[in-house]
Amino acid sequence: EAGVTQFPSHSVIEKGQTVTLRCDPISGHDNLYWYRRVMGKEIKFLLHFVKESKQDESGMPNNRFLAERTGGTYSTLKVQPAELEDSGVYFCASSQGTGADTQYFGPGTRLTVL
Amino acid sequence: AQTVTQSQPEMSVQEAETVTLSCTYDTSESDYYLFWYKQPPSRQMILVIRQEAYKQQNATENRFSVNFQKAAKSFSLKISDSQLGDAAMYFCAFLSRSQGNLIFGKGTKLSVKP
Repeated sequence: EAGVTQFPSHSVIEKGQTVTLRCDPISGHDNLYWYRRVMGKEIKFLLHFVKESKQDESGMPNNRFLAERTGGTYSTLKVQPAELEDSGVYFCASSQGTGADTQYFGPGTRLTVL
Repeated sequence: AQTVTQSQPEMSVQEAETVTLSCTYDTSESDYYLFWYKQPPSRQMILVIRQEAYKQQNATENRFSVNFQKAAKSFSLKISDSQLGDAAMYFCAFLSRSQGNLIFGKGTKLSVKP
């Protein structure tokens, strides 16, 4: 069974540009999470989808970030326009259920904003 | 708000020896779960071990075991017979059933010396 996949693995963009990150969860997992780790800091929660609905987006830093999960399968996270402080590693995770279910992580996308 | 603290930014262990990574947490929740995740240099984050707070027995997975002290809010990871492949960043994480998103510590970078 394929794990969580993310694309691209690395993205380098200039301040003010737009970047779209993609996450494909494990097949059959209704729950999809986005997390971010800024250099030297904790991995922080961004948002949580249940199927195509946003269950919790309390961790989204501002309105430059837009997450979608059309059809309840893969998800995209768009940053527009990107700022220097958006640099970091963006992780996606999925789980079958909510609450106590283990979250399985993708390899992450390393975003560098110059 | 829940917090997770890993007080050891870096640790080192000799191959075949035992090492213990520390983690403390703070919460007022009663129904929660604790995890150790491992992220090797290749970046894919892998679940190492999971502990349900309601279980008194410490979780074990082969060479990995935890010392869960609920009253002290401590959740340390012991790696026995360390192997070169254990070298990685180790993240301690907290999950409450009511919240759904993981709360991470800053991580401990473990080096294994041959």
